[in-house]
Amino acid sequence: GAGVSQSPSNKVTEKGKDVELRCDPISGHTALYWYRQSLGQGLEFLIYFQGNSAPDKSGLPSDRFSAERTGGSVSTLTIQRTQQEDSAVYLCASSSRAWDYGYTFGSGTRLTVV
Amino acid sequence: RKEVEQDPGPFNVPEGATVAFNCTYSNSASQSFFWYRQDCRKEPKLLMSVYSSGNEDGRFTAQLNRASQYISLLIRDSKLSDSATYLCVVTHNTNAGKSTFGDGTTLTVKP
Repeated sequence: GAGVSQSPSNKVTEKGKDVELRCDPISGHTALYWYRQSLGQGLEFLIYFQGNSAPDKSGLPSDRFSAERTGGSVSTLTIQRTQQEDSAVYLCASSSRAWDYGYTFGSGTRLTVV
Repeated sequence: RKEVEQDPGPFNVPEGATVAFNCTYSNSASQSFFWYRQDCRKEPKLLMSVYSSGNEDGRFTAQLNRASQYISLLIRDSKLSDSATYLCVVTHNTNAGKSTFGDGTTLTVKP
């Protein structure tokens, strides 16, 4: 597609439920990133995929968070047993090269845990 | 100390003013530098890359000072539409791919 597509755009879930967030990057972009942004805060790195390399998971806040990228394209971020502190906007970005080009972000998934 | 630091502002300026933001970074191995713009409740969008030689895009000028480890963004002739949060972003090749975002500087341009 023309841009990075994320779904759903909004998600309200009950505490303790699992959620899956989807990201469809720009076609041909080898690098894919997940960040999250809490209200009024900066961007927090979660995970990074580059081609067929092992992902950099150093930003995942707990073992309740996991992500995969299938076929080098679509990525899914899964949060198990959601907590209220997981409420944030989850942003996906893709890039055509690992580090010397900027990112294109999707419009994000606004997650609210009630 | 945060890896990328910005003055959060807010900067409130009249239309037509010139405003400058600075950003400092702590990792001397940093390789690539960017400014992003983020409007309220929207995703960040790449504004411009920052090169050692400095670069200009219309009313926007970005500078990099590697010796002092800071980046600047200058906006001339401010427009109402420039009101946004400006994010400084740093990538270093020891962590290839993972960029670190500053918390942003908020600019409000008033009539």
